[in-house]
Amino acid sequence: EDQVTQSPEALRLQEGESSSLNCSYTVSGLRGLFWYRQDPGKGPEFLFTLYSAGEEKEKERLKATLTKKESFLHITAPKPEDSATYLCAVNTGNQFYFGTGTSLTVIP
Amino acid sequence: SAVISQKPSRDICQRGTSLTIQCQVDSQVTMMFWYRQQPGQSLTLIATANQGSEATYESGFVIDKFPISRPNLTFSTLTVSNLSPEDSSIYLCSVEDQAQGYGYTFGSGTRLTVV
Repeated sequence: EDQVTQSPEALRLQEGESSSLNCSYTVSGLRGLFWYRQDPGKGPEFLFTLYSAGEEKEKERLKATLTKKESFLHITAPKPEDSATYLCAVNTGNQFYFGTGTSLTVIP
Repeated sequence: SAVISQKPSRDICQRGTSLTIQCQVDSQVTMMFWYRQQPGQSLTLIATANQGSEATYESGFVIDKFPISRPNLTFSTLTVSNLSPEDSSIYLCSVEDQAQGYGYTFGSGTRLTVV
């Protein structure tokens, strides 16, 4: 069964404390893995697309990496404005599967 | 990237009534997707709306409860009918976006509370 799992469910960091969010997937075929940021009550906002193992993408304090089984979203020296839920999703070509998200809180 | 205007952003509705949500895209798209996000949950696909044909509903979702219109390639509506408190959720429309490498661009969401 195709599945996308994110961990941890929630993460609290001190401002400046770097960490990583995990997205593991078991799907029959990967056409793309996507990371989104979602603020409370809003729609998900696109961050990155990754296609193949070894690929990396960066944007400001965020860096996404991909292996054959999982993806990591690394957050370097986070700021309070990085607080949000981070969702990953996998496109198999037939379906789009979402994880349940990691709720990140960055404390000043 | 595509830009989607979704209305309303939030509403509080009485039990038994209906709410219609509108999504306008700034470009022509073949398919539009409607999602539900219940509190603390991830996104669940309700249906795929194709212009000129009936929407395709996912298991557990039926047309009588969630009628969808798709009159042209830039617009769609989702109606949530006969509301109950269990329908309280965020509803999202989305489109596949070539600029994202065929990820999805989402509308800003509609937060529905049923009382």
